[in-house]
Amino acid sequence: GNSVTQMEGPVTLSEEAFLTINCTYTATGYPSLFWYVQYPGEGLQLLLKATKADDKGSNKGFEATYRKETTSFHLEKGSVQVSDSAVYFCALSDRGNNDMRFGAGTRLTVKP
Amino acid sequence: DTAVSQTPKYLVTQMGNDKSIKCEQNLGHDTMYWYKQDSKKFLKIMFSYNNKELIINETVPNRFSPKSPDKAHLNLHINSLELGDSAVYFCASSQAAGDTIYFGEGSWLTVV
Repeated sequence: GNSVTQMEGPVTLSEEAFLTINCTYTATGYPSLFWYVQYPGEGLQLLLKATKADDKGSNKGFEATYRKETTSFHLEKGSVQVSDSAVYFCALSDRGNNDMRFGAGTRLTVKP
Repeated sequence: DTAVSQTPKYLVTQMGNDKSIKCEQNLGHDTMYWYKQDSKKFLKIMFSYNNKELIINETVPNRFSPKSPDKAHLNLHINSLELGDSAVYFCASSQAAGDTIYFGEGSWLTVV
């Protein structure tokens, strides 16, 4: 079945550091890939997505590229801010399937 | 205008009680979901409803019952609450299967 594996946290960085959160997936079809962010005490919000191979999703300085050859969708940001502190979830969804699969989440803490 | 709203946000109740969480979406989406998030932030899908028809039921105990009076509402009723039911419950919706999922802000359930 479909599944998502993302790097374990927590991740602690200093402000303006470079961020990478790894995500790999297993899927039988041609899934769409997502990154969601959850700030403390809130629900999940879509951060970015990509629907086909080689697509790059980007938002708020974050970006991720859909790599079919390595089955990966790593999240990157060149310079993190304290306000980026949150839990980040990689997710996968098959077209026509109601079952979106989420990774275990990676907690990011950015220190001033 | 909140897209996916759920009430109550916080709920503290005793073991054995019955409780309900209400959810409404004003996005005109056809599919609604309930997710459970445990203390380690792991997300598990509980139910998916498409045009009032149950699509997924992921081995959830039958003490949990979703009720959808129309496609804009999906309520969660829980009978005979147990300590292990303590978690955050998220309602969500999407336009179609495989599309971006939009989450509510969550309902924090504590069973004592």
